[in-house]
Amino acid sequence: AQSVTQLGSHVSVSEGALVLLRCNYSSSVPPYLFWYVQYPNQGLQLLLKYTSAATLVKGINGFEAEFKKSETSFHLTKPSAHMSDAAEYFCAVSNTGTASKLTFGTGTRLQVTL
Amino acid sequence: DVKVTQSSRYLVKRTGEKVFLECVQDMDHENMFWYRQDPGLGLRLIYFSYDVKMKEKGDIPEGYSVSREKKERFSLILESASTNQTSMYLCASSFSLLQGASTDTQYFGPGTRLTVL
Repeated sequence: AQSVTQLGSHVSVSEGALVLLRCNYSSSVPPYLFWYVQYPNQGLQLLLKYTSAATLVKGINGFEAEFKKSETSFHLTKPSAHMSDAAEYFCAVSNTGTASKLTFGTGTRLQVTL
Repeated sequence: DVKVTQSSRYLVKRTGEKVFLECVQDMDHENMFWYRQDPGLGLRLIYFSYDVKMKEKGDIPEGYSVSREKKERFSLILESASTNQTSMYLCASSFSLLQGASTDTQYFGPGTRLTVL
């Protein structure tokens, strides 16, 4: 079965600093991987997804993630944090079962300080 | 834009009550999902449906049931609410008809925060 592990339940960065949120996956088949973001009091929305077309994936709001098979990782980065990036971020892997099910990580809450 | 709506943002119920959470999507999606979200546990799948009247158990179905009589509507039912069902409940939908792993995006509603007293 597929799974993802997010290292660090809380990450704090200064405004303008690099954002790095870590995600490692476990999958017996080539995975499809996703990053979702949840702003306070809202549902989740897609940031980006890896579909095997390119290992470096660009998403919305300046975020990107790189698929590294050798490290089984799909870390999310942004060169310069903005206050509006404060949210909870979830990594997910698409399951091989029915109906495009996703298995989510436990989430990382990003805090951005002045 | 895809829109997924949930009937309530906040709900307070008493132990033993029957609780209905409603979800509606407007994009003719085949698949619909119910998750619960708890701090430190992420999102866990309760039930999903891949067609009208079709449903499958997710990872934590105990204490819940679902209903999908129309394609656009997916209901989560707590037959007898308990305090350990206090949580945030998120509904999602996706288009894919494919079996197996998919690149399909799931679209989420805003969530219902349920408190069971």
